[in-house]
Amino acid sequence: DGGITQSPKYLFRKEGQNVTLSCEQNLNHDAMYWYRQDPGQGLRLIYYSQIVNDFQKGDIAEGYSVSREKKESFPLTVTSAQKNPTAFYLCASSMVWVGSYNEQFFGPGTRLTVL
Amino acid sequence: AQKITQTQPGMFVQEKEAVTLDCTYDTSDPSYGLFWYKQPSSGEMIFLIYQGSYDQQNATEGRYSLNFQKARKSANLVISASQLGDSAMYFCAMSLRFTGTASKLTFGTGTRLQVTL
Repeated sequence: DGGITQSPKYLFRKEGQNVTLSCEQNLNHDAMYWYRQDPGQGLRLIYYSQIVNDFQKGDIAEGYSVSREKKESFPLTVTSAQKNPTAFYLCASSMVWVGSYNEQFFGPGTRLTVL
Repeated sequence: AQKITQTQPGMFVQEKEAVTLDCTYDTSDPSYGLFWYKQPSSGEMIFLIYQGSYDQQNATEGRYSLNFQKARKSANLVISASQLGDSAMYFCAMSLRFTGTASKLTFGTGTRLQVTL
């Protein structure tokens, strides 16, 4: 089955520690995205990547870092510089086609709690 | 900057009835796309329907239809014949310059729909 996997589903971190969230897709999509969702809020874009070895900051990139070494993988690191990292993190991917909209497909999410 | 507004934090609808979830948007860009996503309690986001700014007809996908009123900058989601499984959060989202580039989505704050017997 094609889709997006995120691991782990739940993650607990001590304050001051970096943590990496995994995102893998087997949909052969060029673009990948990371969003953050806080309770009662919509999703906000952290980082996105249109192609391997290239990525751009979204609206709330401070305190986060990403890499895109493989087409299938787009891990997100939440660093100790992120002031309020407790949130639900969603990864998505999409094709990048000219002349068509690019629907995003989402993974099941990772719920990060800082203790 | 673009903005999505969903003014209904919660809605109730009886099973088999139709319901309309409101969405207004703000952008000065003439080329944009409007999306609706469903988020069940499990957390994943499920794509429902899309409307392009140049589309002449309102989009429909099964029981979902999008009431697109460009002059009013509204893109309301209509769910016909509601089912218990429709109970979820619903998010309206917009992307700009969506063709040939990564489609960065701007989301509203969502509407929680509860379907009752």
